[in-house]
Amino acid sequence: LAKITQPISMDSYEGQEVNITCSHNNIATNDYITWYQQFPSQGPRFIIQGYKTKVTNEVASLFIPADRKSSTLSLPRVSLSDTAVYYCLVGGRDDKIIFGKGTRLHILP
Amino acid sequence: AAGVIQSPRHLIKEKRETATLKCYPIPRHDTVYWYQQGPGQDPQFLISFYEKMQSDKGSIPDRFSAQQFSDYHSELNMSSLELGDSALYFCASSLGSSGNSPLHFGNGTRLTVT
Repeated sequence: LAKITQPISMDSYEGQEVNITCSHNNIATNDYITWYQQFPSQGPRFIIQGYKTKVTNEVASLFIPADRKSSTLSLPRVSLSDTAVYYCLVGGRDDKIIFGKGTRLHILP
Repeated sequence: AAGVIQSPRHLIKEKRETATLKCYPIPRHDTVYWYQQGPGQDPQFLISFYEKMQSDKGSIPDRFSAQQFSDYHSELNMSSLELGDSALYFCASSLGSSGNSPLHFGNGTRLTVT
């Protein structure tokens, strides 16, 4: 399993773009990078997944450099409702889906 | 769209009692995962099933057991409950068991052991 490091917490302001970087130095060839968002007392919610380069959907973008040893989740123009815990997961076929220490994002007015 | 359904939403038990948590995955999803999340903690992987067979095992106590039935729903059975078992228990489902199949989580069962 890839060892994952991401910031414990981050603060930002409404309307700003927030970038959360995840380090996964020993990512394997078959591993995908997946981000989840979790609000208090709710189950984690899938945000975005990627393998390489850039992926964008209606809520976020995921940037993955060529060496794939890190990835950056980008949330455009955040609002107070984006205050949550964000988890970066790395895994491939037959891997356990293990949640590490997520990033607690706090959006300020 | 149909989501993962967990029941009950809340459960209160006393020490040494047993509890059964149920999970109904999204239709056509063949993989189910169970997680335990204590207050202020990150989700801890307990166990997973693919096509009704156990596929992976995490930090699940021997007092707990789980299975996936022919209709793909899953049950987590917890015996000899301890105070430390008080937590949110999440079930998730996915299509396929590979790490690139996004997990879809239910709203959880909050278990309180008194």
